[in-house]
Amino acid sequence: GENVEQHPSTLSVQEGDSAVIKCTYSDSASNYFPWYKQELGKGPQLIIDIRSNVGEKKDQRIAVTLNKTAKHFSLHITETQPEDSAVYFCAARLANQFYFGTGTSLTVIP
Amino acid sequence: KAGVTQTPRYLIKTRGQQVTLSCSPISGHRSVSWYQQTPGQGLQFLFEYFSETQRNKGNFPGRFSGRQFSNSRSEMNVSTLELGDSALYLCASSYGTPEKLFFGSGTQLSVL
Repeated sequence: GENVEQHPSTLSVQEGDSAVIKCTYSDSASNYFPWYKQELGKGPQLIIDIRSNVGEKKDQRIAVTLNKTAKHFSLHITETQPEDSAVYFCAARLANQFYFGTGTSLTVIP
Repeated sequence: KAGVTQTPRYLIKTRGQQVTLSCSPISGHRSVSWYQQTPGQGLQFLFEYFSETQRNKGNFPGRFSGRQFSNSRSEMNVSTLELGDSALYLCASSYGTPEKLFFGSGTQLSVL
């Protein structure tokens, strides 16, 4: 199967700064890479995704980049706000099955 | 449009018992996946159902089983519960091919 590693496990930033979370995957056949945000007491919510034939995708303050050669993808959050504080998960889809990273707990300090 | 609904929200069981969790997907979604979430382990894939058929299965023992009904609602069952089964069990639905997953709030299972 696929192996997805996510770093860092915890991240603290000042409000207004940028945050970057990185993930690597092992199987080059993985073709879809979503990012989920999980707030306390809730299920994960999809915030952005990227397919393997695209290198970068942006949605307002959030962007994802994919490097297929190096098998890694990253989540970038700019102008962070306190409501961005949550746990973020990356995932890779291989053969219609999702493999998740172990999560990054992001804290935005006002 | 109503989101994914999971019931019950919390469950407390003892070792050796069995448990059934329920998931109602978003209307029109035919794929339902189940995940186990434990601290530090992320989300581990259990199985996925599409049109009442198990389409994918993760690496969990046979004590974990599931099914899907004709209205796309799904249940998962865990028999002979072990302490290590304590976890948040999440259900996610998607339209067809598993892609944009919509998760429920989960069922928190505690095994004593």
